[in-house]
Amino acid sequence: KNQVEQSPQSLIILEGKNCTLQCNYTVSPFSNLRWYKQDTGRGPVSLTIMTFSENTKSNGRYTATLDADTKQSSLHITASQLSDSASYICVVSAIYGGSQGNLIFGKGTKLSVKP
Amino acid sequence: DTEVTQTPKHLVMGMTNKKSLKCEQHMGHRAMYWYKQKAKKPPELMFVYSYEKLSINESVPSRFSPECPNSSLLNLHLHALQPEDSALYLCASSQEWGNSYTFGSGTRLTVV
Repeated sequence: KNQVEQSPQSLIILEGKNCTLQCNYTVSPFSNLRWYKQDTGRGPVSLTIMTFSENTKSNGRYTATLDADTKQSSLHITASQLSDSASYICVVSAIYGGSQGNLIFGKGTKLSVKP
Repeated sequence: DTEVTQTPKHLVMGMTNKKSLKCEQHMGHRAMYWYKQKAKKPPELMFVYSYEKLSINESVPSRFSPECPNSSLLNLHLHALQPEDSALYLCASSQEWGNSYTFGSGTRLTVV
Protein backbone atom coordinates (compact mmCIF):
# COMPACT_ATOMS: atom_id res chain seq x y z
CA LYS A 1 0.00 0.00 0.00
CA ASN A 2 1.30 3.44 -0.91
CA GLN A 3 1.98 5.46 2.23
CA VAL A 4 3.74 8.62 3.32
CA GLU A 5 4.72 9.10 6.94
CA GLN A 6 6.01 12.32 8.44
CA SER A 7 7.75 13.10 11.68
CA PRO A 8 7.55 14.76 14.03
CA GLN A 9 3.80 15.34 14.16
CA SER A 10 4.41 18.75 15.66
CA LEU A 11 7.42 20.89 16.50
CA ILE A 12 7.98 24.10 18.45
CA ILE A 13 11.16 26.08 17.89
CA LEU A 14 12.44 29.53 18.73
CA GLU A 15 12.72 32.20 16.08
CA GLY A 16 16.08 32.13 14.36
CA LYS A 17 16.71 28.43 15.01
CA ASN A 18 17.00 25.74 12.36
CA CYS A 19 14.87 22.61 12.13
CA THR A 20 14.53 19.47 10.03
CA LEU A 21 11.34 17.66 9.15
CA GLN A 22 11.31 14.04 8.00
CA CYS A 23 9.30 12.13 5.42
CA ASN A 24 9.43 8.37 4.77
CA TYR A 25 7.47 6.86 1.94
CA THR A 26 6.49 3.55 0.41
CA VAL A 27 5.19 4.62 -2.98
CA SER A 28 5.79 2.65 -6.12
CA PRO A 29 6.41 3.33 -8.88
CA PHE A 30 7.81 6.63 -7.66
CA SER A 31 7.43 9.73 -9.78
CA ASN A 32 8.33 12.71 -7.60
CA LEU A 33 8.20 14.13 -4.09
CA ARG A 34 6.96 17.54 -3.11
CA TRP A 35 7.05 19.56 0.06
CA TYR A 36 4.17 21.96 0.60
CA LYS A 37 3.60 24.65 3.22
CA GLN A 38 0.02 25.05 4.33
CA ASP A 39 -1.23 27.85 6.52
CA THR A 40 -4.36 27.07 8.52
CA GLY A 41 -7.46 27.30 6.34
CA ARG A 42 -5.45 27.97 3.18
CA GLY A 43 -4.38 25.88 0.21
CA PRO A 44 -0.97 24.19 0.13
CA VAL A 45 1.86 26.16 -1.46
CA SER A 46 4.64 24.25 -3.17
CA LEU A 47 8.13 24.66 -1.71
CA THR A 48 10.14 22.08 -3.65
CA ILE A 49 9.62 19.22 -6.07
CA MET A 50 12.21 16.48 -6.50
CA THR A 51 12.47 13.65 -8.97
CA PHE A 52 14.25 10.33 -8.58
CA SER A 53 17.62 11.63 -9.69
CA GLU A 54 17.71 14.73 -7.49
CA ASN A 55 19.34 14.61 -4.06
CA THR A 56 19.03 18.19 -2.90
CA LYS A 57 16.95 21.19 -3.85
CA SER A 58 16.82 24.59 -2.22
CA ASN A 59 14.25 27.34 -2.20
CA GLY A 60 15.47 30.27 -0.13
CA ARG A 61 15.72 29.14 3.49
CA TYR A 62 14.16 25.77 2.63
CA THR A 63 16.38 22.85 1.58
CA ALA A 64 14.89 19.47 0.70
CA THR A 65 16.85 16.24 0.39
CA LEU A 66 15.84 12.97 -1.17
CA ASP A 67 17.35 9.51 -0.74
CA ALA A 68 15.54 7.35 -3.26
CA ASP A 69 17.31 4.22 -2.03
CA THR A 70 16.05 4.50 1.53
CA LYS A 71 12.87 6.30 0.44
CA GLN A 72 13.43 9.17 2.78
CA SER A 73 13.22 12.92 2.39
CA SER A 74 13.89 15.80 4.71
CA LEU A 75 13.04 19.48 4.71
CA HIS A 76 15.52 21.74 6.47
CA ILE A 77 14.45 25.24 7.45
CA THR A 78 17.23 27.68 8.22
CA ALA A 79 16.98 30.74 10.44
CA SER A 80 13.29 30.23 11.15
CA GLN A 81 10.88 33.15 11.13
CA LEU A 82 7.52 33.59 12.81
CA SER A 83 5.89 33.36 9.37
CA ASP A 84 7.23 29.82 9.01
CA SER A 85 4.56 28.67 11.46
CA ALA A 86 2.40 26.34 9.36
CA SER A 87 1.87 22.71 8.48
CA TYR A 88 4.48 21.18 6.18
CA ILE A 89 3.17 18.39 4.04
CA CYS A 90 5.18 15.79 2.16
CA VAL A 91 3.39 14.58 -0.96
CA VAL A 92 4.64 11.70 -3.08
CA SER A 93 3.44 11.17 -6.60
CA ALA A 94 3.11 7.70 -8.09
CA ILE A 95 3.51 7.22 -11.80
CA TYR A 96 0.15 5.49 -12.02
CA GLY A 97 -3.00 6.66 -10.30
CA GLY A 98 -4.68 4.43 -7.79
CA SER A 99 -7.58 4.90 -5.43
CA GLN A 100 -6.09 8.23 -4.33
CA GLY A 101 -5.35 9.44 -7.81
CA ASN A 102 -1.59 9.53 -7.94
CA LEU A 103 -0.81 11.93 -5.06
CA ILE A 104 -0.21 10.38 -1.66
CA PHE A 105 -0.25 12.93 1.16
CA GLY A 106 1.54 12.72 4.47
CA LYS A 107 -0.33 13.95 7.54
CA GLY A 108 2.00 16.90 7.87
CA THR A 109 4.22 18.36 10.54
CA LYS A 110 2.79 21.32 12.38
CA LEU A 111 5.58 23.80 13.01
CA SER A 112 5.24 26.61 15.51
CA VAL A 113 7.92 29.27 15.63
CA LYS A 114 7.93 31.25 18.88
CA PRO A 115 9.55 34.66 19.46
CA ASP B 1 -0.78 33.94 -14.48
CA THR B 2 0.49 31.11 -12.30
CA GLU B 3 -2.41 30.81 -9.92
CA VAL B 4 -5.45 28.71 -9.27
CA THR B 5 -8.28 31.01 -8.17
CA GLN B 6 -11.10 29.72 -6.03
CA THR B 7 -14.29 31.54 -5.16
CA PRO B 8 -15.81 32.15 -2.76
CA LYS B 9 -13.17 32.04 -0.02
CA HIS B 10 -15.80 31.38 2.63
CA LEU B 11 -19.31 29.97 2.32
CA VAL B 12 -21.98 29.29 4.91
CA MET B 13 -24.98 27.37 3.66
CA GLY B 14 -28.02 25.65 5.06
CA MET B 15 -28.76 22.00 4.48
CA THR B 16 -31.49 22.82 1.96
CA ASN B 17 -29.45 25.31 -0.05
CA LYS B 18 -27.90 24.90 -3.47
CA LYS B 19 -24.54 26.57 -3.99
CA SER B 20 -21.52 26.24 -6.26
CA LEU B 21 -17.80 26.48 -5.72
CA LYS B 22 -15.73 27.81 -8.59
CA CYS B 23 -12.16 27.24 -9.64
CA GLU B 24 -10.28 28.91 -12.46
CA GLN B 25 -6.77 28.63 -13.90
CA HIS B 26 -5.17 30.17 -16.97
CA MET B 27 -1.94 28.20 -17.04
CA GLY B 28 -3.09 25.90 -19.82
CA HIS B 29 -3.28 22.98 -17.42
CA ARG B 30 -5.35 20.08 -18.71
CA ALA B 31 -5.97 18.28 -15.42
CA MET B 32 -8.03 19.76 -12.59
CA TYR B 33 -8.90 18.32 -9.19
CA TRP B 34 -11.22 18.77 -6.25
CA TYR B 35 -9.99 17.84 -2.79
CA LYS B 36 -11.76 17.94 0.58
CA GLN B 37 -9.72 18.65 3.67
CA LYS B 38 -10.95 18.34 7.23
CA ALA B 39 -9.08 20.08 10.04
CA LYS B 40 -5.72 18.53 10.88
CA LYS B 41 -6.11 15.93 8.13
CA PRO B 42 -4.46 15.64 4.72
CA PRO B 43 -6.54 16.50 1.65
CA GLU B 44 -8.72 13.73 0.25
CA LEU B 45 -9.22 13.44 -3.48
CA MET B 46 -12.81 13.82 -4.66
CA PHE B 47 -12.72 14.25 -8.44
CA VAL B 48 -10.21 14.46 -11.26
CA TYR B 49 -10.88 15.95 -14.66
CA SER B 50 -8.39 15.28 -17.43
CA TYR B 51 -8.95 17.05 -20.73
CA GLU B 52 -12.39 18.09 -19.46
CA LYS B 53 -13.46 14.50 -18.92
CA LEU B 54 -14.17 13.11 -15.46
CA SER B 55 -11.39 10.61 -14.84
CA ILE B 56 -11.75 9.82 -11.16
CA ASN B 57 -14.78 9.98 -8.92
CA GLU B 58 -13.76 8.76 -5.49
CA SER B 59 -17.21 7.46 -4.50
CA VAL B 60 -18.26 10.93 -3.46
CA PRO B 61 -21.95 11.34 -2.45
CA SER B 62 -24.21 12.63 -5.20
CA ARG B 63 -24.89 15.80 -3.22
CA PHE B 64 -21.53 16.89 -4.67
CA SER B 65 -21.70 17.33 -8.43
CA PRO B 66 -18.60 18.40 -10.39
CA GLU B 67 -18.67 20.21 -13.70
CA CYS B 68 -15.86 21.19 -16.07
CA PRO B 69 -17.34 23.66 -18.60
CA ASN B 70 -13.96 24.21 -20.30
CA SER B 71 -10.29 23.61 -19.76
CA SER B 72 -9.92 26.65 -17.49
CA LEU B 73 -12.94 26.24 -15.24
CA LEU B 74 -14.01 23.70 -12.69
CA ASN B 75 -17.17 23.92 -10.63
CA LEU B 76 -18.44 21.93 -7.68
CA HIS B 77 -22.22 22.09 -7.26
CA LEU B 78 -23.51 21.51 -3.76
CA HIS B 79 -27.03 20.45 -2.81
CA ALA B 80 -28.56 19.15 0.40
CA LEU B 81 -25.27 19.00 2.24
CA GLN B 82 -24.83 17.73 5.77
CA PRO B 83 -22.99 19.45 8.63
CA GLU B 84 -20.23 16.84 8.35
CA ASP B 85 -19.51 18.16 4.85
CA SER B 86 -18.09 21.30 6.44
CA ALA B 87 -14.44 21.43 5.39
CA LEU B 88 -11.87 23.24 3.30
CA TYR B 89 -12.44 22.46 -0.38
CA LEU B 90 -9.31 22.71 -2.46
CA CYS B 91 -9.01 22.94 -6.21
CA ALA B 92 -5.76 22.06 -7.94
CA SER B 93 -4.51 21.85 -11.48
CA SER B 94 -1.58 20.31 -13.32
CA GLN B 95 -0.31 20.43 -16.87
CA GLU B 96 -1.09 16.78 -17.28
CA TRP B 97 -2.49 14.29 -14.80
CA GLY B 98 0.37 13.56 -12.44
CA ASN B 99 2.57 16.56 -13.15
CA SER B 100 3.37 19.27 -10.63
CA TYR B 101 0.19 20.42 -8.94
CA THR B 102 -0.78 24.01 -8.17
CA PHE B 103 -3.37 24.40 -5.43
CA GLY B 104 -5.87 27.17 -4.97
CA SER B 105 -6.35 28.90 -1.63
CA GLY B 106 -9.46 26.91 -0.93
CA THR B 107 -13.08 27.57 0.00
CA ARG B 108 -13.92 27.24 3.66
CA LEU B 109 -17.39 25.69 3.67
CA THR B 110 -19.63 25.60 6.72
CA VAL B 111 -22.93 23.73 6.55
CA VAL B 112 -25.46 24.76 9.21
